[in-house]
Amino acid sequence: DIQMTQSPSSLSASVGDRVTITCQASQGINNYLNWYQQRPGKAPKLLIYDASNLETGVPSRFRGGGSGTDFTFTISSLQPEDVATYYCQQYDNLPPTFGQGTKLEIK
Amino acid sequence: EVQLVESGGGLVQPGGSLRLSCGASGFSFSDYWMSWVRQAPGKGPEWVANINQDGGETDYVDSVKGRFTISRDNAKNSLYLQMNSLRVEDTAVYYCARDMTFRFDYWGQGTLVTVSS
Repeated sequence: DIQMTQSPSSLSASVGDRVTITCQASQGINNYLNWYQQRPGKAPKLLIYDASNLETGVPSRFRGGGSGTDFTFTISSLQPEDVATYYCQQYDNLPPTFGQGTKLEIK
Repeated sequence: EVQLVESGGGLVQPGGSLRLSCGASGFSFSDYWMSWVRQAPGKGPEWVANINQDGGETDYVDSVKGRFTISRDNAKNSLYLQMNSLRVEDTAVYYCARDMTFRFDYWGQGTLVTVSS
């Protein structure tokens, strides 16, 4: 199975800050990479698909990038409602696998 | 509005069985693949199984093959997961999700399965 490694595992930033999370795959996954947001006690929500495509209705401050094995997820201006855990997920090889998550908090 | 509502979770002893259900509304259920994804406490999500539109194709993560069975009833807009020979490590919140080629675009609220003696 492809291993997905996210960094950092937790992050604290101020409202308005630019925040970046990285996700590294154990082998190349083309651009078959999705990003999800999971607020406390809720189900994951799809934000970005195919590495850089914004899901319908998702604010434009969220952005995804990268290719091959190295990917990034950026929030351009952190908002209080962005407090959540963020997960990357690959689907180039079965089974689809998720990263361990990055917990984002507000300072 | 797309809605997915899971039910059937609970406490079960190791070796026991449980059947999860997921009711779908707000979209043409029979046109979509569907998946079950689980999340153990404090862990990332783990894909469990999926099923194609007519139920003729299914796939499973290795850890549940031979123990879990995914099925659907398009007339009832429902998805199911029959779980047998449950193990402590199957303890998790189980979500059903609409599966757009492993892009999970809608999720239910989840149902908790606890396997413990």
